[in-house]
Amino acid sequence: EAGVTQFPSHSVIEKGQTVTLRCDPISGHDNLYWYRRVMGKEIKFLLHFVKESKQDESGMPNNRFLAERTGGTYSTLKVQPAELEDSGVYFCASSQDRRLNTFGSGTRLTVV
Amino acid sequence: RKEVEQDPGPFNVPEGATVAFNCTYSNSASQSFFWYRQDCRKEPKLLMSVYSSGNEDGRFTAQLNRASQYISLLIRDSKLSDSATYLCVTEGDSSYKLIFGSGTRLLVRP
Repeated sequence: EAGVTQFPSHSVIEKGQTVTLRCDPISGHDNLYWYRRVMGKEIKFLLHFVKESKQDESGMPNNRFLAERTGGTYSTLKVQPAELEDSGVYFCASSQDRRLNTFGSGTRLTVV
Repeated sequence: RKEVEQDPGPFNVPEGATVAFNCTYSNSASQSFFWYRQDCRKEPKLLMSVYSSGNEDGRFTAQLNRASQYISLLIRDSKLSDSATYLCVTEGDSSYKLIFGSGTRLLVRP
């Protein structure tokens, strides 16, 4: 069974540019989550999809972040415009059962 | 105050040693607790869930103390491959939202 796949694995962009991260969950997992870890901090929840619907987006930092999950399959997280403090590792996870979150290997975003 | 607090370590122990990590959580309503393991530059992976009665998985034992709001992880007979960061995790106000501690780093030396 394929795991959670994230693309790209690394991204370096300039402040003010736009970046789009993609996550392909495990097939059949209705729940999809985005988390991020900024330097020196703990991993923090960003948002939760159930199928194509946003169930909880309370962790989204501000309106520069936009997440979508068209058709309830893969998800994208767009940052526009990127700021220096957006640098970090963005993890996607998926699950059927809340106790069995499987994480992707993450996208390491560096904003310069 | 952080919702989940852990000693960042590092804990530096010889192979074969027993090591214990604790973490405390602030939300008394939390119902689910987990230990995740994260290797350097890798994703977190579920190590074990933590149940009220305590549970064991091979060399790993997890305990939950609801009265004191702390969770522990005991690793017996440490292996070099146990070197990693151990993340204490509970749930947030939504049962699907995980709250992570900042992790405790373990180094097992030969």
